[in-house]
Parts: sequence; structure tokens; C-alpha cells
Amino acid sequence: GENVEQHPSTLSVQEGDSAVIKCTYSDSASNYFPWYKQELGKRPQLIIDIRSNVGEKKDQRIAVTLNKTAKHFSLHITETQPEDSAVYFCAASANTPLVFGKGTRLSVIA
Amino acid sequence: GAVVSQHPSWVICKSGTSVKIECRSLDFQATTMFWYRQFPKQSLMLMATSNEGSKATYEQGVEKDKFLINHASLTLSTLTVTSAHPEDSSFYICSAIRLALSTDTQYFGPGTRLTVL
Repeated sequence: GENVEQHPSTLSVQEGDSAVIKCTYSDSASNYFPWYKQELGKRPQLIIDIRSNVGEKKDQRIAVTLNKTAKHFSLHITETQPEDSAVYFCAASANTPLVFGKGTRLSVIA
Repeated sequence: GAVVSQHPSWVICKSGTSVKIECRSLDFQATTMFWYRQFPKQSLMLMATSNEGSKATYEQGVEKDKFLINHASLTLSTLTVTSAHPEDSSFYICSAIRLALSTDTQYFGPGTRLTVL
């Protein structure tokens, strides 16, 4: 089955700097790669997703890139703000339930 | 659109009792619902996949006789934790996929925090 690795597990950045979180997956059949943001005690919120027919997608300060050959995808947050502090999860699926990475705790220091 | 609710949001129970958690898709029909468990500071772990009108598919290591799942309609799935023990204390989250859309987007419920004393 699918296995998703996520790095780093924790990340601290200064406000205004960029943050990058990377994930790798094992199943070459995976074709959907969402990113979720989860605040303490709350549900995961979808922030951006990408499908295998696209290499990059951007939504304001958030972008995701996908390299299908290398089987990795990354989340990029620019101009970080304190409210970006949360746990971020990547996930992958191939018409099956999502398999999540272990999460990255992002802290944006004002 | 695409709102998923869960009830209750939190529950405290004594060891040995059973607890039922409901997951509802409020404004769409869900072909499939998923149940996840999340321990503190850990990721979401899939417990089972629930399809309307059929038996749930459980992930390896999840006891189907302990975690009973019923998906009676296209808008409701229930998870019953039977004979709960302290080690079952966790955050249980459901998610749903919309019917008739060829998408993998999962919409999550707000979660249920279970504490077993």
C-alpha cells in the first residue's frame, strides 16, 4: 500500500520568511495530493491540492509542486504570518482512502 | 457546501461502556465515509472505510468487533466503540466523499474527543 513520508517534523520560521514542507510517496498509481492544515483540537482543513496531471499549483501565498518521476511533492508558504502556525499534513491517494504523512508543526515567530 | 458534522463533539465514559459517534454529511450525499483516529501529536490513522449499504472495510490491526461501523444512509455513518478502555481515548474524525463527483476530495467532520476513565 501507499506510504507517505513527510519532513521536517517541526519547522520554525520568522514572520515574513518562507516555509517549505516536503513529502514523498511510494505508490506510483497515486494521483491526488492534498495538503491539510490542522489547528489544535480542530478538524483538518484542506488548504490546497494537486493532481497528477499538473506540476504546480498556486493560491495566493500557498503553492504546491509535484514531481511524479521522483514521487515527491512540496508545500511552499511565502510571507508567513503568525496565523500560519499549525500542523500541516500531506496526503496521497490513488482512488483509495487518503494516506497521511506524520505532519509538520510549523511555528511562525513574530 | 460540503459540510460534515459529528456528534458528540466530546464524550467522557467509564471503562467497559459503549459509545456511539455519528457522522453526517449535511448538504450532500456521501458514497463513502472514512473513520480516522488521531492520538495526541500524531497523524490521522485510517481505521475503516464505510460504504452505504455494505459492510465496512477495516484497516489492518483495527478490531471490527470492537469498532462497529454502520452506514445506514447516504448521509449518516456511525462508529460505536464497544467496551471502551482507557487506551481507546483519542480524537475520532470522520470524512466523506461526495456522491457523483469524480474527485478524491475528502471533507472532514469536526472530530469527537473520547475520554475513557
